[in-house]
Amino acid sequence: QVRLQQWGAGLLKPSETLSLTCGIYGGSFSGYYWTWIRQPPGKGLEWIGEINHSGSTNYNPSLKSRVTISVDTSKNQFSLKLSSVTAADTAVYYCTRGQYNGDYDYWGQGTLVTVSS
Amino acid sequence: SSELTQDPAVSVALGQTVRITCQGDSLRSYYANWYQQKPGQAPVLVIYGKNNRPSGIPDRFSGSSSGNTASLTITGAQAEDEADYYCNSRDNSGSLLRVFGGGTKVTVL
Repeated sequence: QVRLQQWGAGLLKPSETLSLTCGIYGGSFSGYYWTWIRQPPGKGLEWIGEINHSGSTNYNPSLKSRVTISVDTSKNQFSLKLSSVTAADTAVYYCTRGQYNGDYDYWGQGTLVTVSS
Repeated sequence: SSELTQDPAVSVALGQTVRITCQGDSLRSYYANWYQQKPGQAPVLVIYGKNNRPSGIPDRFSGSSSGNTASLTITGAQAEDEADYYCNSRDNSGSLLRVFGGGTKVTVL
């Protein structure tokens, strides 16, 4: 059974860089789109971006200038960095496994990241 | 703003049928996927592709599509179906970028 376990800092100050990592357990790394999705408190889901096993990425245009998603296949992990955070980046961040058609079948537990001075 | 539009809220009587819709130009070319999210939990995929249910999802959940509108139907809604439901698909440009609808809160009366 596939399991995604994510970790990273939950409290940041404005202008700092958000950094989260997601470990993949019990499944193959290849053939999927490893994706980050976020959800501001009380709001809907927002697609941040994805990476495949070869390192090819796609990002949400609204975040593209600040986002980097990377992969470490040797550790079966992928990571999210979001620079210059503001209060608007406060959200629960989820890592997910995406299929070709964009359906996300496995999700991490979510990490609440709060940006506050 | 989302390129996929959902009604903010719908209600359904226990045991009755409810349809949740998702509208967007990209749905003329691509299928929508549907997720159920209960408070404090990660979303769960309930329908993907044309009308496929992951293992463990009850068969009262079904999906359909016509033109620029995708629908999720719950036939015989149960109390445990009360949740937020989100659709997702590709963005308008048909690129590999993904978008989500704004979500629909389903209340079971």
